[in-house]
Amino acid sequence: DSGVTQTPKHLITATGQRVTLRCSPRSGDLSVYWYQQSLDQGLQFLIQYYNGEERAKGNILERFSAQQFPDLHSELNLSSLELGDSALYFCASSVGPGAFYEQYFGPGTRLTVT
Amino acid sequence: DQQVKQNSPSLSVQEGRISILNCDYTNSMFDYFLWYKKYPAEGPTFLISISSIKDKNEDGRFTVFLNKSAKHLSLHIVPSQPGDSAVYFCAAHAGNNRKLIWGLGTSLAVNP
Repeated sequence: DSGVTQTPKHLITATGQRVTLRCSPRSGDLSVYWYQQSLDQGLQFLIQYYNGEERAKGNILERFSAQQFPDLHSELNLSSLELGDSALYFCASSVGPGAFYEQYFGPGTRLTVT
Repeated sequence: DQQVKQNSPSLSVQEGRISILNCDYTNSMFDYFLWYKKYPAEGPTFLISISSIKDKNEDGRFTVFLNKSAKHLSLHIVPSQPGDSAVYFCAAHAGNNRKLIWGLGTSLAVNP
């Protein structure tokens, strides 16, 4: 158990809908990262927050947004969903701001868009 | 443009032998490299890392070698155990872009 929790575990929704994925980081960690893993793809970095502020941005679509709240949990919002958004979404946390810090990953949320 | 490449999608090794997983990169600005291991239905877990100022880092059965001139790193697992069967991801960090660039992973199967 990495100490990072993600909810929900599975999500099935229709095209055009909007969903919110939630992540609680490990106790004491200030950084939260979001990743997308599609079938046969590696981990695509989406976005990082450190202590409530956006720190780094990756290949995140404009239809996607995220935020980190004062209690350090984070939410990833996916809107106008398309079939291609079906993927595993991982959240990770680390103690420091740098991406080279060991990242602790949650179990992931599997999103299926039908 | 895949800046971090793991050219072998899969590898099969006999228990007790050495597993060698390779990773090539193109960006000379990468200053830190990490290996993560991923079991099915779980998130990746950190395995071992190496700074660009070193050429070797060892942790138990796991050793990572870095050849900067060739822009190549490798992960050696000796001896391999069936519990090592997982997908291994290589990731690289460049301080100026503040993020990790991940390879596509190599699926290792260690056969009893």
